[in-house]
Amino acid sequence: DAGVTQSPTHLIKTRGQQVTLRCSPKSGHDTVSWYQQALGQGPQFIFQYYEEEERQRGNFPDRFSGHQFPNYSSELNVNALLLGDSALYLCASSLLGLAGELYNEQFFGPGTRLTVL
Amino acid sequence: AQKVTQAQTEISVVEKEDVTLDCVYETRDTTYYLFWYKQPPSGELVFLIRRNSFDEQNEISGRYSWNFQKSTSSFNFTITASQVVDSAVYFCALSEAQGGSEKLVFGKGTKLTVNP
Repeated sequence: DAGVTQSPTHLIKTRGQQVTLRCSPKSGHDTVSWYQQALGQGPQFIFQYYEEEERQRGNFPDRFSGHQFPNYSSELNVNALLLGDSALYLCASSLLGLAGELYNEQFFGPGTRLTVL
Repeated sequence: AQKVTQAQTEISVVEKEDVTLDCVYETRDTTYYLFWYKQPPSGELVFLIRRNSFDEQNEISGRYSWNFQKSTSSFNFTITASQVVDSAVYFCALSEAQGGSEKLVFGKGTKLTVNP
């Protein structure tokens, strides 16, 4: 059973460029959340997708956008990259619709390390 | 607003010592969930435990134990007889339970180094 996978593993971009990160959820999961983890900090919630819609969003500018596909995989897009966008981007998946469970454990992927020069 | 504070930035112990990682949280919700995650150098967050706000029973899993005290808004994590493989960054996190929201609010983490 494959866990959460993310691609690419590492990425180097320059200021002003655009980047797309990809995530495939754990088998059977229908919800994907994205987090940004700056060096030495805890992860910060960017947004969450369920049924191809953004369910909730953290305190991130509109330069950060996302998409969820019918197969539940997801993309995170960041436009007009800034030096401060350099971070580890983590994807987490869970099963939102599990009957009888108010909350389900989130499984995290290995992350994509983005460096903006 | 929700907030998680892990006051210990770094802890260093010698193998076989017991170590406790502190976590203090703030929330206005009456129903919420608390978590601990482990992040080894590889970067992937590994789930350790989830506790809901109505269950204050302490939990033990092998060498790991957790102490949840609502009166002090704390959810501390103890590793007994630490091992070198326990070296990692440990994060405490909080989530509201309303509407099935799964947004996790993390603390800044505690880096644990276990020396042989």
